[in-house]
Amino acid sequence: QQQVKQSPQSLIVQKGGISIINCAYENTAFDYFPWYQQFPGKGPALLIAIRPDVSEKKEGRFTISFNKSAKQFSLHIMDSQPGDSATYFCAASKNDYKLSFGAGTTVTVRA
Amino acid sequence: DTAVSQTPKYLVTQMGNDKSIKCEQNLGHDTMYWYKQDSKKFLKIMFSYNNKELIINETVPNRFSPKSPDKAHLNLHINSLELGDSAVYFCASSQAGQGSGDEQFFGPGTRLTVL
Repeated sequence: QQQVKQSPQSLIVQKGGISIINCAYENTAFDYFPWYQQFPGKGPALLIAIRPDVSEKKEGRFTISFNKSAKQFSLHIMDSQPGDSATYFCAASKNDYKLSFGAGTTVTVRA
Repeated sequence: DTAVSQTPKYLVTQMGNDKSIKCEQNLGHDTMYWYKQDSKKFLKIMFSYNNKELIINETVPNRFSPKSPDKAHLNLHINSLELGDSAVYFCASSQAGQGSGDEQFFGPGTRLTVL
C-alpha cells in the first residue's frame, strides 16, 4: 500500500502565483522527507528536504512546511515560473534504506 | 562527466525475451538502487545494493535479477519479459543509505517497451 499520499494529482498556476502540494503519511518512524523534481524525459532530482525536528525549511522560492502532529508536509513554490513546470514527488524514509514516494503532482505554470 | 548513466536509453522487445539494463555511477557512492516508474509516473523501489550487498529486495517477480559486479555498477536482468514490464526503469545512487537522509542521484532512465 502507498505509504505517502500526495495531492493534487495535477495543478495549473499562472506565472508569479503560488503552487502548493500536500503530502500525508502514517508511519511515525519516518524521519526524512525529501521532495524530488522530475522534468519530462529526465530522472528525478532532489529539490529540498526536511527532518521532523523543524517545522519549515526554505530554499529560494521553495519552502517545505512540516506538521508532525498531523503527519503532513507540503511544498510551496512561490513566484512560480514556466521553468518550474515539472512533476513533483514527495517522499519519506526511515533508517532502513527504503524511500517511499508519493504518486506525484504535475505542475504546469502558464506564462 | 555524467554522474549516473544507464544503457540503453530505449529498449523495445518482444514478449518472452530476456534483456539487461546497465547502470554505472562515477560519484564514489556506496549504495545503488533500481526503481520502476509506471505509466502513471508512480515510482517504486525494486532493489538496492550497498557495497555490492543486496539490502532491499521488494516484492518483485523473480524474473528480475540485479547484479552488482562492483560498487560502481548495478545491472538489471529481466527474463521472460511480459507486457506489464513496460515502464521506465531508473537507476540511482547515494553516498550511504536512504535512512541517513543522503540525496539520491538518478540516472536518465531506460524506457522499456514490451510488444
